[in-house]
Amino acid sequence: AQSVTQPDIHITVSEGASLELRCNYSYGATPYLFWYVQSPGQGLQLLLKYFSGDTLVQGIKGFEAEFKRSQSSFNLRKPSVHWSDAAEYFCAVGAEASYQKVTFGTGTKLQVIP
Amino acid sequence: KAGVTQTPRYLIKTRGQQVTLSCSPISGHRSVSWYQQTPGQGLQFLFEYFSETQRNKGNFPGRFSGRQFSNSRSEMNVSTLELGDSALYLCASSIGTSGVSEQFFGPGTRLTVL
Repeated sequence: AQSVTQPDIHITVSEGASLELRCNYSYGATPYLFWYVQSPGQGLQLLLKYFSGDTLVQGIKGFEAEFKRSQSSFNLRKPSVHWSDAAEYFCAVGAEASYQKVTFGTGTKLQVIP
Repeated sequence: KAGVTQTPRYLIKTRGQQVTLSCSPISGHRSVSWYQQTPGQGLQFLFEYFSETQRNKGNFPGRFSGRQFSNSRSEMNVSTLELGDSALYLCASSIGTSGVSEQFFGPGTRLTVL
């Protein structure tokens, strides 16, 4: 079975600073990896996904993530954070045989200070 | 293209009652997944339907059930409600024809059990 760990429950960064959110997964084969963002009271919006190919993935809103098989990681990065990025971020992993049964991490809440 | 819609957006029920939530996927999507989101447990997979068949199921008691109609709309039902069922219930739709595909989430139904 696949699993996801997001070690940081809460992160605070200053507006304009760089951001890195950590995600580690556990799965025996090649995983399908996702990052989603959730604003308060809203559903989840997909930021980016990795299925195969180039390990550096570009997403929406200026986010990118790098798949590192050797470290079982899929960290999310943004070079310069905007106040509107304040939200909760979820890393998720899926597996070919599990169809749409995606396992989510516990989330990282991002606070942006001016 | 219209997004995923969920109705109702808010529900208040009392213990012992039952509830039915509805999800209309994006046009052309045949897979609908349901998730329960709570502060303590995070996002947990309930079940997934594809072409009216349940393809995957999470670890929830039998009080939680679902179905999908020929137009891909889905409903989930919770019988004999318990206080712990209070949560945000999220529906996600995807094309679903291959192993794992991008899921699009609805805004959720907030269920409060008193």
